[in-house]
Amino acid sequence: AQSVTQLDSQVPVFEEAPVELRCNYSSSVSVYLFWYVQYPNQGLQLLLKYLSGSTLVESINGFEAEFNKSQTSFHLRKPSVHISDTAEYFCAVSVGSGGYNKLIFGAGTRLAVHP
Amino acid sequence: KAGVTQTPRYLIKTRGQQVTLSCSPISGHRSVSWYQQTPGQGLQFLFEYFSETQRNKGNFPGRFSGRQFSNSRSEMNVSTLELGDSALYLCASSGVGANTEAFFGQGTRLTVV
Repeated sequence: AQSVTQLDSQVPVFEEAPVELRCNYSSSVSVYLFWYVQYPNQGLQLLLKYLSGSTLVESINGFEAEFNKSQTSFHLRKPSVHISDTAEYFCAVSVGSGGYNKLIFGAGTRLAVHP
Repeated sequence: KAGVTQTPRYLIKTRGQQVTLSCSPISGHRSVSWYQQTPGQGLQFLFEYFSETQRNKGNFPGRFSGRQFSNSRSEMNVSTLELGDSALYLCASSGVGANTEAFFGQGTRLTVV
């Protein structure tokens, strides 16, 4: 069965410092990986996705993630965080064939950016 | 383009009652999935509907059910509510295929007292 492990439940960091949120997944033939962000009392917003092609994917607000097949990882990074990045981040893998849409989520990592 | 709309945003129910939550997907999306989010269990897949048919179901008791209408709008129903059903229920709409992204609504916060 597919599974996703987020290795850190909480990550405190100071503003303008770099951050890495770690994500490992169970292997599968076809892997589609996503990072979602959730602000308090909100739904999930897609941050970035890996479907195929380049293993390095970027978001419009400075986050990037690298798909590493050999290590079955999809870590999220940002070189300089802002207070506004404080949120919970979820890594997810899409499973299913024949058009089934089902996401398996990790437990989430709470990123707390301090001034 | 309007996003995914979930109604109501907040709901308080008593144990034993039933509840119906609604989700309107993005125009043109035919797949609607439902997720339950709790502090203890995290985000868990409930079920997915496509063209009015349930294609996939998570590991939840039969008290949890859903349906999808011809306009792709979906409802989920929970009968005989239990305290443990208190959660944020999220709906996601997407296109066809496992490689398409899911767009989430704001969720419905259900509190069972």
